Amino acid sequence: AQKITQTQPGMFVQEKEAVTLDCTYDTSDQSYGLFWYKQPSSGEMIFLIYQGSYDEQNATEGRYSLNFQKARKSANLVISASQLGDSAMYFCAMSPDSNYQLIWGAGTKLIIKP
Amino acid sequence: DVKVTQSSRYLVKRTGEKVFLECVQDMDHENMFWYRQDPGLGLRLIYFSYDVKMKEKGDIPEGYSVSREKKERFSLILESASTNQTSMYLCASSLFRQGGDGYTFGSGTRLTVV
Repeated sequence: AQKITQTQPGMFVQEKEAVTLDCTYDTSDQSYGLFWYKQPSSGEMIFLIYQGSYDEQNATEGRYSLNFQKARKSANLVISASQLGDSAMYFCAMSPDSNYQLIWGAGTKLIIKP
Repeated sequence: DVKVTQSSRYLVKRTGEKVFLECVQDMDHENMFWYRQDPGLGLRLIYFSYDVKMKEKGDIPEGYSVSREKKERFSLILESASTNQTSMYLCASSLFRQGGDGYTFGSGTRLTVV
């Protein structure tokens, strides 16, 4: 079965600390893509970062990095130096090559404390 | 920047009404998607389209239909709205199924059926 698991329903983090949001995935496809999205309270889904299954280096985009451990089937999002504006829902998603659909995790609600 | 525009941010309709949710993207993307998002259930795919006049059912197509007469426009139709279709509806588009550009989402339509 193709599945994304996010085990942290909610997290509180002090401002300026680093945050790691967990994501594990399950697929038998050899080729797939992994995504992280941010959804603020306004509702819009904002694309943050992408990792291809054949990419050897971890993806980075500004303060966001994706800790990709293929053997463990994990794709954790790391946010460095968290800011109040990082408070939002965060979703991990997978695009297996055999499936047109994006497979979504249930999301993690991140709250940054001042 | 790719823009995906959903025609309404908030919508209130009566049970039994026919409802049209419009989505327009301006970057010549092949693929377009309609999701609904409910608390605790994450994002669920209703329909998607990978070309003009092509459509494919997602996980929860019952009670919905779609139309894609032009590449840039993908419409979701609730044939006879019911209260269990009260939800947040998100439209997305993508050039590739996998890739660093990700899927670009509209700002969502919060539909309430009374």
